[in-house]
Amino acid sequence: EDQVTQSPEALRLQEGESSSLNCSYTVSGLRGLFWYRQDPGKGPEFLFTLYSAGEEKEKERLKATLTKKESVLHITAPKPEDSATYLCAVQARDGNKLVFGAGTILRVKS
Amino acid sequence: DAEITQSPRHKITETGRQVTLACHQTWNHNNMFWYRQDLGHGLRLIHYSYGVQDTNKGEVSDGYSVSRSNTEDLPLTLESAASSQTSVYFCASSGPAAGFNEQFFGPGTRLTVL
Repeated sequence: EDQVTQSPEALRLQEGESSSLNCSYTVSGLRGLFWYRQDPGKGPEFLFTLYSAGEEKEKERLKATLTKKESVLHITAPKPEDSATYLCAVQARDGNKLVFGAGTILRVKS
Repeated sequence: DAEITQSPRHKITETGRQVTLACHQTWNHNNMFWYRQDLGHGLRLIHYSYGVQDTNKGEVSDGYSVSRSNTEDLPLTLESAASSQTSVYFCASSGPAAGFNEQFFGPGTRLTVL
């Protein structure tokens, strides 16, 4: 069974304090790993897709990396507007659905 | 601009009633999905469709049904609402290839079953 585990469940940072969010996964052949951002009361917003180990993607203060067992979302010098829940999901080669983790709630204080 | 909309945004209903949640997308995407989101469970797939007249069950499909009569719409029906179906429901779409594209989500419908 495909599984995604995100850690920590919640993370509090001071503005400018860099940190990382972890997404561990088990999947029967990875087709793609997806990162989403979700603000309270809204739908998830697509951030990145990673396809193979060693791949990296960047967007503003966010950088996502992928290995065979996990993906890490690095946030550099975060700002209060980066506060959100970050969701990770995997898609297996032999299936079509996305399997989501429970998410990491990020709070950045000024 | 293309978008995906859901209605209603909030719904309160009673146990045993039939409820239909609407999802409409103007991306012209082939693929559409319904998820529910609950604390501690993340997003779980209810049903999905890869095109008109195509529907498939997800991991939590019991008590739900969908039908796809056109490209733009995938309504979700709760045949007989139960308190366990109180949740936030999200519709998503992707395209053009079946399954393998990033999914774009609607704003969600918060459903309360009393």
